[in-house]
Amino acid sequence: KNEVEQSPQNLTAQEGEFITINCSYSVGISALHWLQQHPGGGIVSLFMLSSGKKKHGRLIATINIQEKHSSLHITASHPRDSAVYICAPQGAGNKLTFGGGTRVLVKP
Amino acid sequence: DADVTQTPRNRITKTGKRIMLECSQTKGHDRMYWYRQDPGLGLRLIYYSFDVKDINKGEISDGYSVSRQAQAKFSLSLESAIPNQTALYFCATSDFTAGYGYTFGSGTRLTVV
Repeated sequence: KNEVEQSPQNLTAQEGEFITINCSYSVGISALHWLQQHPGGGIVSLFMLSSGKKKHGRLIATINIQEKHSSLHITASHPRDSAVYICAPQGAGNKLTFGGGTRVLVKP
Repeated sequence: DADVTQTPRNRITKTGKRIMLECSQTKGHDRMYWYRQDPGLGLRLIYYSFDVKDINKGEISDGYSVSRQAQAKFSLSLESAIPNQTALYFCATSDFTAGYGYTFGSGTRLTVV
């Protein structure tokens, strides 16, 4: 069983739609990262959170430590949001364990 | 200039050749990591270093070695490349001053033929 499960694996949305990506993990963590990987391959860190909720522009990340669950929401989605979104809990030694990613395609 | 720079960006090499991937950072972070990414798999940790004299194996270190030449430089070597080392390789940094947030390099696409 994977330590980090993301759902869905693939998601297609129309521009303007609200998108939710879920992440469940089984490892003990000190924080959780949400990463974005564009088709060119580069990885950008979107959020690092250890409790509650963070917001940056149209992106919102939440985490429930007790339930070992985090969500990433994209409001008013846009084609430029098309990317792979990766959940990465941070555990012992501040090392990351990576989910398999959610491939998001936003159509105009 | 990028905060974390990886060179080369792309490389094709032959089986059995030695190859080095280089990573340099201007973040001043003390922690550096090498990951590989394969299609359909999440990133996996190869090696990591918390300081210049500190080297630690990750989950898939066999066939790889690293060198932390300075706080800003962390190199990954494939002593004798094999085709199943074909992957996308990422260097990353983190530091307590950044709340252990991570910064990733742009990746090196390595193909072993």
